[in-house]
Amino acid sequence: DIQMTQSPSTLSASVGDRVIITCRASQNIRDWLAWYQQKPGKAPKLLISRASNLQSGAPSRFSGSGSGTEFTLTISSLQPDDFATYFCQQYDTLTTFGPGTKVDIK
Amino acid sequence: EVQLVESGGSLVRPGGSLRLSCATSGFTFSSHALSWVRQAPGTGLEWVSVISGSGDATYHADSVKGRFTISKDNSKSTLYLQMNTLRAEDTAIYYCVKSDCSTIFCRLFVSWGQGTLVTVSS
Repeated sequence: DIQMTQSPSTLSASVGDRVIITCRASQNIRDWLAWYQQKPGKAPKLLISRASNLQSGAPSRFSGSGSGTEFTLTISSLQPDDFATYFCQQYDTLTTFGPGTKVDIK
Repeated sequence: EVQLVESGGSLVRPGGSLRLSCATSGFTFSSHALSWVRQAPGTGLEWVSVISGSGDATYHADSVKGRFTISKDNSKSTLYLQMNTLRAEDTAIYYCVKSDCSTIFCRLFVSWGQGTLVTVSS
């Protein structure tokens, strides 16, 4: 099975900060990587597919990059609505999720 | 608007059975693979089962293989998960999830239901 890791597990930041979350795969997944945002008590919501394709309706301050085994999710200027947990997901071979990164208020 | 509404979650004893349902609307039911993804309390996400849009192909994760069965009723646009021989480690919120295409290899999860809680405890 392909294992996914994320760092950091928790990130404390302020409104307006640039935030970077890293996701690593245990083997090459090309660009079959998605990012989801989950708020407390809610279902995850797809933000980015194919490592860098921003979903319709997702704010342009979110961007994704990477290929192979290392990927990043960047929030260019953190907004109050962005405090949430972010999960990466590989869908190259079956599918597995990362453990999540919680972005909270500094 | 795509809607996925799960039901059927409850408290059940270890070894018991439960059937989850997911009523859907807002998309062509037979054109999209559907999955169940679960999330144990305070933890990450685990993909459990998938069924193709046509219903002729399914796949279950090793952790539930032989115990859970995914199925669908195209006439009712409803997805099901039959859960047998339940264990404490099956305790989780179960989400009904729509993929972006129709085969069981479609694993990009574009729409999610609100989830239904299954608790396995004596």
